[in-house]
Amino acid sequence: QSALTQPASVSGSPGQSITISCTGTSSDVGGYNYVSWYQQHPGKAPKLMIYEVSNRPSGVSNRFSGSKSGNTASLTISGLQAEDEADYYCSSYTSSNTLVFGGGTKLTVL
Amino acid sequence: EVQLVESGGGLVKPGESLRLSCAASGFTFSSYSMNWVRQAPGKGLEWVSSFSSSTSYIYYADSVKGRFTISRDNAKNSLYLQMYSLRADDTAVYYCARGGGYCSGGRCYDKYYFDYWGQGTLVTVSS
Repeated sequence: QSALTQPASVSGSPGQSITISCTGTSSDVGGYNYVSWYQQHPGKAPKLMIYEVSNRPSGVSNRFSGSKSGNTASLTISGLQAEDEADYYCSSYTSSNTLVFGGGTKLTVL
Repeated sequence: EVQLVESGGGLVKPGESLRLSCAASGFTFSSYSMNWVRQAPGKGLEWVSSFSSSTSYIYYADSVKGRFTISRDNAKNSLYLQMYSLRADDTAVYYCARGGGYCSGGRCYDKYYFDYWGQGTLVTVSS
């Protein structure tokens, strides 16, 4: 159950777009369309932003989008806003009937 | 409104036990898988355990297998995590999270993401 690989940090200016990658294996990210993304502000509980690779829950801004290619999933945030500054985690179902998270990415809005 | 409220956290010594509870409201509890996810201080999220909805399948992370037991009481809309042989590296905020899913034709289908989270309860294991 090795954690999925995410960049430790990314940054962007307001209005720009950024992409956070999430790399796994064929036993998790690459094998299933069960990748999800979570946003977590300091001291708060995580919030679901994307599920099943590219679906947005009701109420989540359409500035957030997800995709997957092979063993790597990506979260793209367009039109960056100050409130987007947070930690972001990806998660995937695995062939062992477990779930695994990425190590997290700290997004800084410059 | 979906609400998940964890309780039972606290300070315990290595080797001791603790039972966490999660009280759910605002949805049909029995129709959804329920999960525990933890986060060590300053660290990332770690999935701990899942209890499926209609099929009663239970899964654990290798790090807690054999030491933790997940259970649910659908009549009480509650999820539990019994933790034994606690270690320092079990120190974390423990979140209760509802699994995504839906019901159709009298059967419920679990999805592998967490759509609602509680605020968490802190477990500290220290001598």
